Amino acid sequence: TQLLEQSPQFLSIQEGENLTVYCNSSSVFSSLQWYRQEPGEGPVLLVTVVTGGEVKKLKRLTFQFGDARKDSSLHITAAQPGDTGLYLCAGPRGGSYIPTFGRGTSLIVHP
Amino acid sequence: GAGVSQSPSNKVTEKGKDVELRCDPISGHTALYWYRQSLGQGLEFLIYFQGNSAPDKSGLPSDRFSAERTGGSVSTLTIQRTQQEDSAVYLCASSLASGQGLVYGYTFGSGTRLTVV
Repeated sequence: TQLLEQSPQFLSIQEGENLTVYCNSSSVFSSLQWYRQEPGEGPVLLVTVVTGGEVKKLKRLTFQFGDARKDSSLHITAAQPGDTGLYLCAGPRGGSYIPTFGRGTSLIVHP
Repeated sequence: GAGVSQSPSNKVTEKGKDVELRCDPISGHTALYWYRQSLGQGLEFLIYFQGNSAPDKSGLPSDRFSAERTGGSVSTLTIQRTQQEDSAVYLCASSLASGQGLVYGYTFGSGTRLTVV
């Protein structure tokens, strides 16, 4: 079973701070995705990374895929209360089309 | 439809009763996935449909759980003789085709919160 481990599990910060969350595995993934989930809603796709070493930016969010395609990170610059949510990473399990998800990082940004 | 629609949004049922959860995927999406999310847990895969067939149902926790999809569209997840440990949010997702989700992502519904009392 390919496991995706996310850290930290919880993060509580003040508006304006920077943060990084991590998604790690002992297995190689052909691609990884990051989702954000708000209370009472389903996860919403933020980004897909497919190439080792790839860096993608989405406004204040920077996503990186590790060179060996076993890990990924999400960095948020100058966090805002609207960034509050559960951040999940996901990758195809066992070479199939079915995504497996990490347990997520629950982020709270205080005004 | 414009998005993935799930109903009901909330369901409270008594232990031992059967429940049916419905998912209406985005029109034209041939791949459909069911997940379960418990408090503090990630998304647990249950079953995957390609069209009306289910190539992978390995995540169904017991034979009390079953799912079907008709007309390549609406899917129903049925839980028989519900137990308290079945309490969770049940999420449905769809993608244009099986491999497309890996590139373009999966569109999730808002889920059905099931509480077994």
